[in-house]
Amino acid sequence: QVQLQESGPGLVKPSQTLSLTCTVSGGSISSDSYYWSWIRQPAGKGPEWIGRISPTEIRGRTNYNPSLKSRVTISVDTSKNQFSLKLNSVTAADTAIYYCAVSGVWTAFFHHWGQGTLVTVSS
Amino acid sequence: EIVMTQSPATLSVSPGEGVTVSCRASESVSSNLAWYQQKPGQAPRLLISGASTRATGIPARFSGSGSGTEFTLTISSLQSEDFAVYYCQQYNVWPPLTFGGGTRVEIK
Repeated sequence: QVQLQESGPGLVKPSQTLSLTCTVSGGSISSDSYYWSWIRQPAGKGPEWIGRISPTEIRGRTNYNPSLKSRVTISVDTSKNQFSLKLNSVTAADTAIYYCAVSGVWTAFFHHWGQGTLVTVSS
Repeated sequence: EIVMTQSPATLSVSPGEGVTVSCRASESVSSNLAWYQQKPGQAPRLLISGASTRATGIPARFSGSGSGTEFTLTISSLQSEDFAVYYCQQYNVWPPLTFGGGTRVEIK
């Protein structure tokens, strides 16, 4: 089955860019059966969907949460079976556990998640 | 944006008892509703999709119902491993995909 693993810095300074990578194993990120998402969860709160990407052009590559769209970029590296998140101009409000997750093409619920990585925004 | 509201925020239940968690959508999401279970230090785990279809490996004591704006997750007889936080998520109208704020099921 598909497994996902997040990696990246655990501490980011305010106004800088948060960068995370999700490595996929047990399946090909190039499959046109899946979309690959980033989700975050501040402490004690519900998850917040950040955005998603499909490596297949025909599907329309990316969708973003409108509340974050101006600061977010999600990209994919099929040669490494990875996808990445960049969130710029971060503030303390961006402190959260960040998860990568996978959903089907037609049904956007998340059947596999990474273990999550805590990112703290602080000087 | 569709807002998902869960109630109650916390349920205190004894093992063996049944429990019902509610989720309300600010507008109809048809049956495009998923439920997740999250334990401390872990990622959410998919329990139910399509409002009532259990995911692979999910015990039959978990059931979901509802459509439109009102949904429920029922656990028929709580086991020790079921004490966790439960979230609903709509995937009918998006972006954005949206989650509820969660219901904590704790030991009474």
